[in-house]
Amino acid sequence: DTVMTQSPAILSVSPGERATLSCRASQNVGSDLAWYQQQRGQAPRLLIYGASTRATGIPARFSGSGSGAEFTLTISSLQSEDFAVYYCQQYNNWPPTTFGQGTRLEIK
Amino acid sequence: QLRLQESGPGLVKTSETLSLTCNVSGGPISSPSYYWGWIRQPPGKGLEWIGSIYYSGTTYYNPSLKSRVTISVDTSKNQFSLRVNSVTAADTALFYCARRLAVAGGWYFDVWGRGTLVTVSS
Repeated sequence: DTVMTQSPAILSVSPGERATLSCRASQNVGSDLAWYQQQRGQAPRLLIYGASTRATGIPARFSGSGSGAEFTLTISSLQSEDFAVYYCQQYNNWPPTTFGQGTRLEIK
Repeated sequence: QLRLQESGPGLVKTSETLSLTCNVSGGPISSPSYYWGWIRQPPGKGLEWIGSIYYSGTTYYNPSLKSRVTISVDTSKNQFSLRVNSVTAADTALFYCARRLAVAGGWYFDVWGRGTLVTVSS
């Protein structure tokens, strides 16, 4: 299986500042990488697919980059509703498709 | 607007079978454009893909669970189902049903149900 490793586990950032989340794959996944946001008590929401394409309705402050085995999710100016847990998912090497363990973005 | 809704028992006894159903509304499960899947999340932990099914019945399973899992589809009821045999406490989780594209490079999940918590206990 392709192991997805997210860092850091917890990220503390002030509202209005930039947040940078990382995701590393144990093998090449090309651009087959998605990011999800999970608010407390809610289902995950698709933010980014194809490593850099925003899903429908996702604000422009969310951006994804990377290819191969190193990926980044950047939130340019944090809003209160952005503090949540973020997961990456690779879907290049399957089955199984695999998720990272998550990064918790908390208010500093 | 497409909606997915999970249903099933919230408590299952150890060694028995967990059964859940996902009802799809707002669109046909028989669309050739999508697969339908199950993902679980143990309390306080990350996400694990269980398996996916096409309206024709074609299935893909996580190899780590394949021996205990069956996913089926009922197009007449616009729903699909999950069965997990011989459950243990380690199967306690929030179970989500979700949709993904049926194309290469489309194995991300764009629509999710709200999830249903299943606790396994003796």
